[in-house]
Amino acid sequence: TQLLEQSPQFLSIQEGENLTVYCNSSSVFSSLQWYRQEPGEGPVLLVTVVTGGEVKKLKRLTFQFGDARKDSSLHITAAQPGDTGLYLCAGTAFLQGAQKLVFGQGTRLTINP
Amino acid sequence: SQTIHQWPATLVQPVGSPLSLECTVEGTSNPNLYWYRQAAGRGLQLLFYSVGIGQISSEVPQNLSASRPQDRQFILSSKKLLLSDSGFYLCALGIIYNSPLHFGNGTRLTVT
Repeated sequence: TQLLEQSPQFLSIQEGENLTVYCNSSSVFSSLQWYRQEPGEGPVLLVTVVTGGEVKKLKRLTFQFGDARKDSSLHITAAQPGDTGLYLCAGTAFLQGAQKLVFGQGTRLTINP
Repeated sequence: SQTIHQWPATLVQPVGSPLSLECTVEGTSNPNLYWYRQAAGRGLQLLFYSVGIGQISSEVPQNLSASRPQDRQFILSSKKLLLSDSGFYLCALGIIYNSPLHFGNGTRLTVT
């Protein structure tokens, strides 16, 4: 069974601070995706990382895929209240002809004004 | 672009009653379709996935079943709901390998 461990599970910080969320596994994934989810809605894709060591930036968000493709991190610089939400990492596996997405437990992020 | 329709948005059902949640997609053909369940504020657990009409794979043993009677229709069912079936159910579609999944807006099920 492929598992993704996300940490921290809850994070509450002040506006303007920096933060990092981690996603770790003992399994290798062909790609890893980060989603953000608002209450009562489905997750929305932020980024997909495919190559080991890859770094992608999305404004104040920086995503990194580990060299061995077993872990990933999300770093937010100068967090804003609008960044509040549930952040989910998900690893891609291919099984029986179908792409499966294995999700971490999520990080509930709260940015206080 | 692909669109996913899920209904109802919220549902309250008594224990022992049947369940039918429907998911339909537009803007694509022969997609992979998925049912996920999410506990409050937590990650998503894959319940079922389907690579084509009539083809269903189950991830975990449970009180639920799924069917895919048409290419763009995916149904989640139960004959008798349990309290533990409460949760947020999300339908998703995938097009090609390593592409992101597109999620519907989910159904909040409360079993009382």
